[in-house]
Amino acid sequence: AQSVSQHNHHVILSEAASLELGCNYSYGGTVNLFWYVQYPGQHLQLLLKYFSGDPLVKGIKGFEAEFIKSKFSFNLRKPSVQWSDTAEYFCAVNALNFGNEKLTFGTGTRLTIIP
Amino acid sequence: NAGVMQNPRHLVRRRGQEARLRCSPMKGHSHVYWYRQLPEEGLKFMVYLQKENIIDESGMPKERFSAEFPKEGPSILRIQQVVRGDSAAYFCASSPPSAGSNTEAFFGQGTRLTVV
Repeated sequence: AQSVSQHNHHVILSEAASLELGCNYSYGGTVNLFWYVQYPGQHLQLLLKYFSGDPLVKGIKGFEAEFIKSKFSFNLRKPSVQWSDTAEYFCAVNALNFGNEKLTFGTGTRLTIIP
Repeated sequence: NAGVMQNPRHLVRRRGQEARLRCSPMKGHSHVYWYRQLPEEGLKFMVYLQKENIIDESGMPKERFSAEFPKEGPSILRIQQVVRGDSAAYFCASSPPSAGSNTEAFFGQGTRLTVV
């Protein structure tokens, strides 16, 4: 069974700082990878996804993530954060099992941006 | 094209009552997933359904919880005899039928269940 680890539980940054949130997964086979964001009181929104091809994936709102297969990692980055990026960020993995898009989520990283 | 619709948004139940949570998938989507988010935790998979079939219920508690996705109408997650520990946000996601797995699931806004 696959699992996902997000080691940073709470990150506090000032506006304009650079961001990197770690995500590691454990699964020996092929996976699809996702980052979701959850703003306070709202549902999950997809930030970006990796299925195949270029391991550097660009998403919405200036976010990007890099899939490093040898490290089983899919870290999320943003060069300059804004106050509006304050939210909870979840990494998720789907172990390829045709027709089943069941996701395994990490425990999330709470990001607080200080103006 | 409306997104995934969940209702109610908030549900308060007394211990021992039943809770029914509804999820209408996006138009054209035939796969529905339910997840539970406990306070301070990530989302945990509960069950995966297609029309009239439960495909994967490996995340469902063995007792009191059931789910269905009938041929007509929304998917229902039913919790009987609720207890305080059932208080959580319950999210539904849907995805289209697919030959492979390179599709994404779209999430609803969730139902926040509070058991008092």
